[in-house]
Amino acid sequence: GAGVSQSPSNKVTEKGKDVELRCDPISGHTALYWYRQSLGQGLEFLIYFQGNSAPDKSGLPSDRFSAERTGGSVSTLTIQRTQQEDSAVYLCASSLGLGSGGSNEQFFGPGTRLTVL
Amino acid sequence: ELKVEQNPLFLSMQEGKNYTIYCNYSTTSDRLYWYRQDPGKSLESLFVLLSNGAVKQEGRLMASLDTKARLSTLHITAAVHDLSATYFCAVDKNTDKLIFGTGTRLQVFP
Repeated sequence: GAGVSQSPSNKVTEKGKDVELRCDPISGHTALYWYRQSLGQGLEFLIYFQGNSAPDKSGLPSDRFSAERTGGSVSTLTIQRTQQEDSAVYLCASSLGLGSGGSNEQFFGPGTRLTVL
Repeated sequence: ELKVEQNPLFLSMQEGKNYTIYCNYSTTSDRLYWYRQDPGKSLESLFVLLSNGAVKQEGRLMASLDTKARLSTLHITAAVHDLSATYFCAVDKNTDKLIFGTGTRLQVFP
């Protein structure tokens, strides 16, 4: 009945490699978000999924970044040909969604710390 | 473009003292959120403010919202060491994605 979970907690990779980050949202939450937290840029929105609607990809920094959400639950964020500037903590959040008629409060997972050497 | 500014960026305060963190945002927003982040940890939701004049309190923390001034405050009363953390405000504009402030790193010392 836990909160949002993410894996791995830490990932070290070499420049040019692809990485996949996973997020398991809170059961019953229809909305899922990815954010990135880095020293230079603070907390930035990346991508948002709501139910069966097309995702809002407006925050993805380049076409090397993509995400999918299978079955309306688990999501995977993929970064291809990683660069050193991709090093950051990647946070996933979930919520009941705007249609919940209230706050759309987002609950965050523990994050994945990505280091690109 | 919606922008969110917090001040101060860093706050060092003595236990027992009171202080206020300010959060300004650039355009009208539907909802304002306050989060706490401990070092190496994720974001913990503190408050959700949904309307003008909203005030919420939890322990030594009280948050308020003035939508006309586009300003939210997080007031700390009689600070204790356990409140040391980084505090973020965030807003959305009916688009769901959160725009975060820069964060305020709070250190409470004896």
